[in-house]
Amino acid sequence: QVQLVQSGAEVKKPGSSVKVSCKASGGTFGSYSISWVRQAPGPGLELLGGIIPMFGKANYPQKFQGRVTITADESTSTVYMELSSLRSEDTAVYYCARGHDSLDPWGQGTLVTVSS
Amino acid sequence: EIVLTQSPGTLSLSPGESATLSCRASQSVPSSFLAWYQQKPGQAPRLLIYGASSRLTATPDRFSGSGSGTDFTLTISRLEPEDFAVYYCQQYGGSPRTFGRGTKVEIK
Repeated sequence: QVQLVQSGAEVKKPGSSVKVSCKASGGTFGSYSISWVRQAPGPGLELLGGIIPMFGKANYPQKFQGRVTITADESTSTVYMELSSLRSEDTAVYYCARGHDSLDPWGQGTLVTVSS
Repeated sequence: EIVLTQSPGTLSLSPGESATLSCRASQSVPSSFLAWYQQKPGQAPRLLIYGASSRLTATPDRFSGSGSGTDFTLTISRLEPEDFAVYYCQQYGGSPRTFGRGTKVEIK
Protein backbone atom coordinates (compact mmCIF):
# COMPACT_ATOMS: atom_id res chain seq x y z
CA GLN A 1 0.00 0.00 0.00
CA VAL A 2 1.58 3.25 -1.15
CA GLN A 3 1.64 6.10 1.36
CA LEU A 4 2.80 9.63 0.59
CA VAL A 5 4.02 11.99 3.30
CA GLN A 6 4.69 15.63 2.48
CA SER A 7 6.87 18.26 4.10
CA GLY A 8 5.46 20.94 6.38
CA ALA A 9 3.85 24.29 5.79
CA GLU A 10 5.87 27.14 4.29
CA VAL A 11 5.60 30.92 4.35
CA LYS A 12 7.41 32.67 1.51
CA LYS A 13 7.97 36.18 0.20
CA PRO A 14 6.78 37.20 -3.25
CA GLY A 15 9.47 36.54 -5.87
CA SER A 16 11.08 33.71 -3.91
CA SER A 17 10.87 29.93 -4.47
CA VAL A 18 9.46 27.06 -2.48
CA LYS A 19 10.42 23.39 -2.59
CA VAL A 20 7.98 20.81 -1.25
CA SER A 21 8.86 17.16 -0.74
CA CYS A 22 6.77 14.01 -0.99
CA LYS A 23 8.21 10.82 0.51
CA ALA A 24 6.73 7.53 -0.66
CA SER A 25 6.59 4.25 1.21
CA GLY A 26 5.18 0.92 0.07
CA GLY A 27 5.00 -0.18 -3.52
CA THR A 28 7.95 -0.02 -5.89
CA PHE A 29 9.09 3.58 -5.96
CA GLY A 30 10.23 4.65 -9.37
CA SER A 31 7.83 2.52 -11.32
CA TYR A 32 4.76 4.70 -10.85
CA SER A 33 4.07 8.35 -11.62
CA ILE A 34 3.84 11.04 -8.98
CA SER A 35 1.78 14.09 -9.85
CA TRP A 36 1.48 17.44 -8.10
CA VAL A 37 -1.86 19.21 -7.74
CA ARG A 38 -2.62 22.43 -5.95
CA GLN A 39 -5.87 23.66 -4.45
CA ALA A 40 -6.70 27.32 -4.03
CA PRO A 41 -10.08 28.97 -3.45
CA GLY A 42 -10.18 30.69 -6.83
CA PRO A 43 -8.95 28.27 -9.45
CA GLY A 44 -9.81 25.10 -7.48
CA LEU A 45 -7.73 21.99 -8.22
CA GLU A 46 -4.92 22.46 -10.76
CA LEU A 47 -2.36 19.99 -12.05
CA LEU A 48 1.21 21.30 -11.82
CA GLY A 49 2.95 18.36 -13.47
CA GLY A 50 4.29 14.91 -12.80
CA ILE A 51 7.23 12.54 -13.03
CA ILE A 52 8.00 8.83 -13.30
CA PRO A 53 11.08 8.58 -11.07
CA MET A 54 12.69 5.68 -12.91
CA PHE A 55 12.66 7.72 -16.12
CA GLY A 56 13.48 11.01 -14.41
CA LYS A 57 11.79 13.21 -17.00
CA ALA A 58 9.00 15.45 -15.73
CA ASN A 59 6.10 16.85 -17.71
CA TYR A 60 4.27 20.09 -17.07
CA PRO A 61 1.12 21.76 -18.34
CA GLN A 62 1.87 24.80 -20.44
CA LYS A 63 0.58 27.15 -17.72
CA PHE A 64 3.34 26.09 -15.33
CA GLN A 65 6.21 25.40 -17.72
CA GLY A 66 9.26 27.38 -16.74
CA ARG A 67 8.05 28.01 -13.20
CA VAL A 68 7.65 24.47 -11.81
CA THR A 69 10.42 21.90 -11.51
CA ILE A 70 9.67 18.36 -10.40
CA THR A 71 12.52 16.03 -9.50
CA ALA A 72 12.89 12.63 -7.88
CA ASP A 73 15.50 11.02 -5.65
CA GLU A 74 15.17 7.25 -5.93
CA SER A 75 17.66 6.70 -3.09
CA THR A 76 15.23 8.28 -0.62
CA SER A 77 11.96 7.54 -2.44
CA THR A 78 11.22 11.24 -2.48
CA VAL A 79 9.76 13.51 -5.15
CA TYR A 80 10.22 17.27 -5.00
CA MET A 81 8.22 20.12 -6.48
CA GLU A 82 9.83 23.53 -6.72
CA LEU A 83 7.79 26.59 -7.68
CA SER A 84 9.65 29.78 -8.45
CA SER A 85 8.79 33.48 -8.82
CA LEU A 86 6.12 33.14 -6.18
CA ARG A 87 3.20 35.55 -6.12
CA SER A 88 0.22 35.91 -3.81
CA GLU A 89 -1.94 33.84 -6.17
CA ASP A 90 0.30 30.84 -5.50
CA THR A 91 -1.00 30.64 -1.94
CA ALA A 92 -2.60 27.20 -1.89
CA VAL A 93 -2.43 23.69 -0.52
CA TYR A 94 -0.06 21.60 -2.61
CA TYR A 95 -0.62 17.85 -2.90
CA CYS A 96 1.37 15.03 -4.35
CA ALA A 97 -0.50 11.97 -5.57
CA ARG A 98 0.37 8.68 -7.22
CA GLY A 99 -0.59 8.40 -10.83
CA HIS A 100 -0.60 10.28 -14.10
CA ASP A 101 -4.29 9.75 -14.91
CA SER A 102 -6.59 9.06 -11.97
CA LEU A 103 -4.75 9.89 -8.76
CA ASP A 104 -4.61 7.59 -5.76
CA PRO A 105 -3.52 7.93 -3.03
CA TRP A 106 -2.75 11.56 -2.18
CA GLY A 107 -0.36 13.05 0.31
CA GLN A 108 -1.72 15.02 3.24
CA GLY A 109 -1.06 18.37 1.59
CA THR A 110 1.34 21.23 2.25
CA LEU A 111 0.08 24.76 2.79
CA VAL A 112 2.23 27.34 1.03
CA THR A 113 1.49 30.94 1.96
CA VAL A 114 2.97 33.75 -0.12
CA SER A 115 2.94 37.02 1.75
CA SER A 116 5.11 40.06 2.09
CA GLU B 1 -8.07 22.23 -22.53
CA ILE B 2 -11.19 20.37 -21.48
CA VAL B 3 -13.30 22.43 -19.07
CA LEU B 4 -15.45 20.46 -16.64
CA THR B 5 -18.61 22.06 -15.28
CA GLN B 6 -20.17 20.47 -12.22
CA SER B 7 -23.73 21.00 -11.11
CA PRO B 8 -25.33 21.78 -8.85
CA GLY B 9 -22.85 23.75 -6.78
CA THR B 10 -24.51 22.59 -3.58
CA LEU B 11 -26.92 19.76 -2.91
CA SER B 12 -28.86 19.79 0.37
CA LEU B 13 -30.14 16.35 1.26
CA SER B 14 -31.01 14.20 4.24
CA PRO B 15 -29.34 10.92 5.21
CA GLY B 16 -31.00 8.05 3.39
CA GLU B 17 -31.81 10.11 0.31
CA SER B 18 -30.11 9.72 -3.06
CA ALA B 19 -27.77 12.27 -4.65
CA THR B 20 -27.21 12.85 -8.37
CA LEU B 21 -24.16 14.91 -9.30
CA SER B 22 -23.45 16.08 -12.84
CA CYS B 23 -20.16 16.73 -14.61
CA ARG B 24 -20.31 18.15 -18.11
CA ALA B 25 -17.23 18.47 -20.33
CA SER B 26 -16.59 21.22 -22.88
CA GLN B 27 -15.55 18.53 -25.38
CA SER B 28 -15.77 14.78 -25.51
CA VAL B 29 -13.62 12.98 -22.94
CA PRO B 30 -11.69 10.26 -24.80
CA SER B 31 -12.34 6.70 -23.69
CA SER B 32 -14.44 7.91 -20.76
CA PHE B 33 -11.27 8.78 -18.90
CA LEU B 34 -13.12 10.47 -16.08
CA ALA B 35 -12.66 10.11 -12.32
CA TRP B 36 -14.61 11.18 -9.24
CA TYR B 37 -13.08 12.23 -5.93
CA GLN B 38 -14.49 12.89 -2.49
CA GLN B 39 -12.98 15.54 -0.24
CA LYS B 40 -13.81 16.17 3.40
CA PRO B 41 -12.74 19.31 5.29
CA GLY B 42 -9.04 19.34 6.10
CA GLN B 43 -8.37 16.20 4.06
CA ALA B 44 -6.92 15.44 0.68
CA PRO B 45 -9.23 14.30 -2.10
CA ARG B 46 -9.86 10.56 -2.24
CA LEU B 47 -10.40 8.68 -5.49
CA LEU B 48 -13.78 6.96 -5.65
CA ILE B 49 -14.34 6.09 -9.30
CA TYR B 50 -12.18 5.95 -12.44
CA GLY B 51 -12.96 5.16 -16.04
CA ALA B 52 -16.31 6.88 -15.50
CA SER B 53 -17.86 3.85 -13.79
CA SER B 54 -15.23 1.63 -12.16
CA ARG B 55 -15.24 1.66 -8.36
CA LEU B 56 -12.11 1.19 -6.31
CA THR B 57 -12.24 -1.82 -3.98
CA ALA B 58 -12.60 0.54 -1.03
CA THR B 59 -15.47 2.51 -2.58
CA PRO B 60 -18.87 1.49 -1.16
CA ASP B 61 -21.29 0.16 -3.76
CA ARG B 62 -23.80 2.92 -2.99
CA PHE B 63 -21.51 5.09 -5.18
CA SER B 64 -21.96 4.60 -8.91
CA GLY B 65 -20.63 6.48 -11.92
CA SER B 66 -22.03 6.62 -15.40
CA GLY B 67 -21.84 8.56 -18.63
CA SER B 68 -19.69 9.03 -21.68
CA GLY B 69 -18.70 11.69 -24.16
CA THR B 70 -19.46 15.00 -22.48
CA ASP B 71 -21.98 14.04 -19.80
CA PHE B 72 -21.12 12.13 -16.65
CA THR B 73 -22.98 11.43 -13.44
CA LEU B 74 -22.08 10.33 -9.94
CA THR B 75 -24.97 8.81 -8.02
CA ILE B 76 -24.93 8.17 -4.31
CA SER B 77 -27.84 6.04 -3.21
CA ARG B 78 -28.92 6.08 0.44
CA LEU B 79 -26.65 8.84 1.74
CA GLU B 80 -24.74 7.92 4.87
CA PRO B 81 -23.53 10.59 7.35
CA GLU B 82 -19.94 10.12 6.14
CA ASP B 83 -20.94 10.89 2.53
CA PHE B 84 -21.52 14.59 3.18
CA ALA B 85 -18.50 16.15 1.50
CA VAL B 86 -17.37 17.86 -1.69
CA TYR B 87 -17.13 15.81 -4.87
CA TYR B 88 -14.89 16.61 -7.82
CA CYS B 89 -14.73 15.17 -11.29
CA GLN B 90 -11.46 15.02 -13.22
CA GLN B 91 -10.75 14.13 -16.82
CA TYR B 92 -7.55 12.43 -17.90
CA GLY B 93 -8.34 11.88 -21.55
CA GLY B 94 -6.92 15.20 -22.62
CA SER B 95 -3.92 17.30 -21.73
CA PRO B 96 -3.70 18.94 -19.33
CA ARG B 97 -5.72 16.86 -16.87
CA THR B 98 -8.40 19.13 -15.48
CA PHE B 99 -10.82 19.15 -12.58
CA GLY B 100 -14.33 20.43 -12.07
CA ARG B 101 -15.07 23.06 -9.41
CA GLY B 102 -16.88 20.58 -7.20
CA THR B 103 -20.35 19.84 -5.83
CA LYS B 104 -20.89 20.14 -2.11
CA VAL B 105 -23.31 17.61 -0.65
CA GLU B 106 -24.54 19.03 2.63
CA ILE B 107 -26.94 17.88 5.29
CA LYS B 108 -30.38 19.41 4.92
